[in-house]
Amino acid sequence: DAGVTQSPTHLIKTRGQQVTLRCSPISGHKSVSWYQQVLGQGPQFIFQYYEKEERGRGNFPDRFSARQFPNYSSELNVNALLLGDSALYLCASSLVFRGLAGAPSRTDTQYFGPGTRLTVL
Amino acid sequence: QKEVEQNSGPLSVPEGAIASLNCTYSDRGSQSFFWYRQYSGKSPELIMSIYSNGDKEDGRFTAQLNKASQYVSLLIRDSQPSDSATYLCAVGGGILTGGGNKLTFGTGTQLKVEL
Repeated sequence: DAGVTQSPTHLIKTRGQQVTLRCSPISGHKSVSWYQQVLGQGPQFIFQYYEKEERGRGNFPDRFSARQFPNYSSELNVNALLLGDSALYLCASSLVFRGLAGAPSRTDTQYFGPGTRLTVL
Repeated sequence: QKEVEQNSGPLSVPEGAIASLNCTYSDRGSQSFFWYRQYSGKSPELIMSIYSNGDKEDGRFTAQLNKASQYVSLLIRDSQPSDSATYLCAVGGGILTGGGNKLTFGTGTQLKVEL
């Protein structure tokens, strides 16, 4: 079975430009999350989507936006790029979304795609 | 105080030895705990998940969770050079950290297994 796929693999942009990153989850998975990983740091949560609805947002500016499509794939958009946006952008998929009340289980375990390396010059 | 803390390392162990990686977290309401392995330039790969206190074993890997102490660890037995990577501790499900599936990661511990 195919894992999480992301495109493009690498991207070079200049400051002020806009970028769109794409993600396709594992077949059957309905939840997609986006993370940013700066060199030397752990991934930082940006967004989570489930059934096309935003279910969580991290501490990122409004320049970051995302959406999920009916086929559960997702796009992350970043406007007005800054040098500090240079990072590895990771997409993770899980079978379901578990709210605060649900008990954790392997159905909400997140699996990561290969990432998109964004360089802002 | 960081939400998830790990020693950045590097942790160096000889081939065949046991590697012990540690992680502490601040949100007492956290419910799910994960260890991911990340090779240089690659994305995180899930190694272990654990949800309840105690030990969970999978091959050469054992995850240990102590919710009272807010501590989770990963033991790697018979360490191999191919285990050399950065190991990320991730914590999810806590109300203070956003709940649901949101994962909060530590900065990772670099493990080096020497011949």
